[in-house]
Amino acid sequence: RKEVEQDPGPFNVPEGATVAFNCTYSNSASQSFFWYRQDCRKEPKLLMSVYSSGNEDGRFTAQLNRASQYISLLIRDSKLSDSATYLCAVGMDSSYKLIFGSGTRLLVRP
Amino acid sequence: DTEVTQTPKHLVMGMTNKKSLKCEQHMGHRAMYWYKQKAKKPPELMFVYSYEKLSINESVPSRFSPECPNSSLLNLHLHALQPEDSALYLCASSQGDRPGQPQHFGDGTRLSIL
Repeated sequence: RKEVEQDPGPFNVPEGATVAFNCTYSNSASQSFFWYRQDCRKEPKLLMSVYSSGNEDGRFTAQLNRASQYISLLIRDSKLSDSATYLCAVGMDSSYKLIFGSGTRLLVRP
Repeated sequence: DTEVTQTPKHLVMGMTNKKSLKCEQHMGHRAMYWYKQKAKKPPELMFVYSYEKLSINESVPSRFSPECPNSSLLNLHLHALQPEDSALYLCASSQGDRPGQPQHFGDGTRLSIL
C-alpha cells in the first residue's frame, strides 16, 4: 500500500461545478497536511495547509479526517483556470520529509 | 512569482559533463530541499538541509552532490549522470525552525542527459 494515495482522475467537470478530491495516508503518526496545485510543466504551488478544524480559502475548502486517515479538498464554482493537477502532501513532526501523492488531474470544461 | 529562484531553467548535458544547479531564497528560511520529478509522477525527495547541515539523504547516488554554502543558497553538483536522470529538478524551502511546515518550490531546472 502506498503511503499517500490519490485517485489520478481525470475529473472532468463543467464550469461552475463543485468537485471534491480525497487523499488517504497510511501513517497514523502523520501531523502535517497540505494541498498543492501543479500546472503542466510547472512547479507545485502551495494551495493550502490543512488544519484539524478544517479551513477555507475563498472557493477552496480543506478538511482532515484523522479517524479515517484522509484529507479532502473541495472546490466550489469551478473555473477554467482551476484545471491542473492537485497533489496532497503529508508529513510528520519528527521529520522534514513530505510524502506526496501522485496527484489528481482536474479538467474544467466551458 | 516564485520566491525561490533556480538556475538554469533548462540544462542539456552529456554523461561525462560536470554541471551545477543553483537555488536561492531570501525568505529567511532555514530548511532547503532538492526534489526530482519525472513526468506524471510526484516530486521525490532527494536531500534536505536544515540550518546549512545535511539532515536527509534519500539514498541518492553519489553522482549527485549537494552543497549549502549559506542559509540562502543551495547547489546540486552533477557528474557522470545517466539518461534516466533526465527530469525536472525542484528546489524548495521552508521556515525550518521545526518540521511539518509548508514547503515553497522554485520553478525548477529541466535537465536532459544525452
